Amino acid sequence: SQQGEEDPQALSIQEGENATMNCSYKTSINNLQWYRQNSGRGLVHLILIRSNEREKHSGRLRVTLDTSKKSSSLLITASRAADTASYFCATGFDSGNTPLVFGKGTRLSVIA
Amino acid sequence: DTAVSQTPKYLVTQMGNDKSIKCEQNLGHDTMYWYKQDSKKFLKIMFSYNNKELIINETVPNRFSPKSPDKAHLNLHINSLELGDSAVYFCASSAQETQYFGPGTRLLVL
Repeated sequence: SQQGEEDPQALSIQEGENATMNCSYKTSINNLQWYRQNSGRGLVHLILIRSNEREKHSGRLRVTLDTSKKSSSLLITASRAADTASYFCATGFDSGNTPLVFGKGTRLSVIA
Repeated sequence: DTAVSQTPKYLVTQMGNDKSIKCEQNLGHDTMYWYKQDSKKFLKIMFSYNNKELIINETVPNRFSPKSPDKAHLNLHINSLELGDSAVYFCASSAQETQYFGPGTRLLVL
């Protein structure tokens, strides 16, 4: 069954504002990843956080993980029109090559 | 230098036909996957192969048959296509946890 649930389903903000997306999951995980999908394209890996980490940064991205609440958040700071895309969280259950379980995604629109 | 490529990009076909989608990765990864994304954007794993061996086969109808001639290729053959097979099919590969996705094949069954 589906593991991740993103919230909100859709988010519309002005360029320069911050965007926060949340993800909840149901079972124990080894890692949680965030991917971006531009319209009509494949998914692109953004960032990975392991179950023993609480926060991670990559450029304008900040990810947090709360394993006690089984939740994660993705913050995009100083958003740009080019950030317009769907964002998916995906959970991994071990450190090897195993399929990811994806949520339904958050559709982010950044208005210039 | 496309890392994961899929052909065709678009596939429109009649119900009952048989079709194949090809995937190739030039990243040297041992593991490859097929995912299906439905009209609501929900992505679900179909198959996972490691070094040409089938590792995971989710509850997918046996009309879907993956084939891996070598570890750089994972093709998907679909027999007797049904309307419900219309979706976007993504191939992916990985060396560790991070997965690299192809651009997708948009299949429309009429």
